Amino acid sequence: DAGVIQSPRHEVTEMGQEVTLRCKPISGHDYLFWYRQTMMRGLELLIYFNNNVPIDDSGMPEDRFSAKMPNASFSTLKIQPSEPRDSAVYFCASSFDGNSNQPQHFGDGTRLSIL
Amino acid sequence: SQQGEEDPQALSIQEGENATMNCSYKTSINNLQWYRQNSGRGLVHLILIRSNEREKHSGRLRVTLDTSKKSSSLLITASRAADTASYFCATGVPGAAGNKLTFGGGTRVLVKP
Repeated sequence: DAGVIQSPRHEVTEMGQEVTLRCKPISGHDYLFWYRQTMMRGLELLIYFNNNVPIDDSGMPEDRFSAKMPNASFSTLKIQPSEPRDSAVYFCASSFDGNSNQPQHFGDGTRLSIL
Repeated sequence: SQQGEEDPQALSIQEGENATMNCSYKTSINNLQWYRQNSGRGLVHLILIRSNEREKHSGRLRVTLDTSKKSSSLLITASRAADTASYFCATGVPGAAGNKLTFGGGTRVLVKP
């Protein structure tokens, strides 16, 4: 079975540009998570969805960040305008069921560099 | 602040040796999970231990949980070069909406052939 699929794998763009990261969760999973990983701050949860509805976006750093999940098989994380401090690896993960005793399945991430 | 903190931050061992890393957390938990991350890849779930369990095994992995000390350990026996990775603990907290986990900062393990 296909795992969580993220695109693009790498993105390099200039500050001020809009960046859109994409994620396809594992079919049948009803939770989707967006994380950001940096050396300084480690792995941070940005936002997560249950059945396409945002549940907790308290980790979204500021209004420049937005996330959507228009259907069960697709989510986007958008940064507009982007800044150099947004450079990080962004991961999407999905899990089955709301029971916290379930593992999360991660994609291989998008490495974002803002120049 | 992070719920889980791993110790040590980095570990270097020879192939065949055992690797032990620890995780401490601050609040009550439903479960504690360990994940592995290879360079340039996403995290991969290794093992989950529930708050009412004390020890769990999976292949060469052994996890212990001491809720009185709010700590867990991950032991990798007979390590292999392929075990070189970063290892993270993550905690699921009672009352948190959904399957929300909080990850620690990780332990970088280098297994030298």
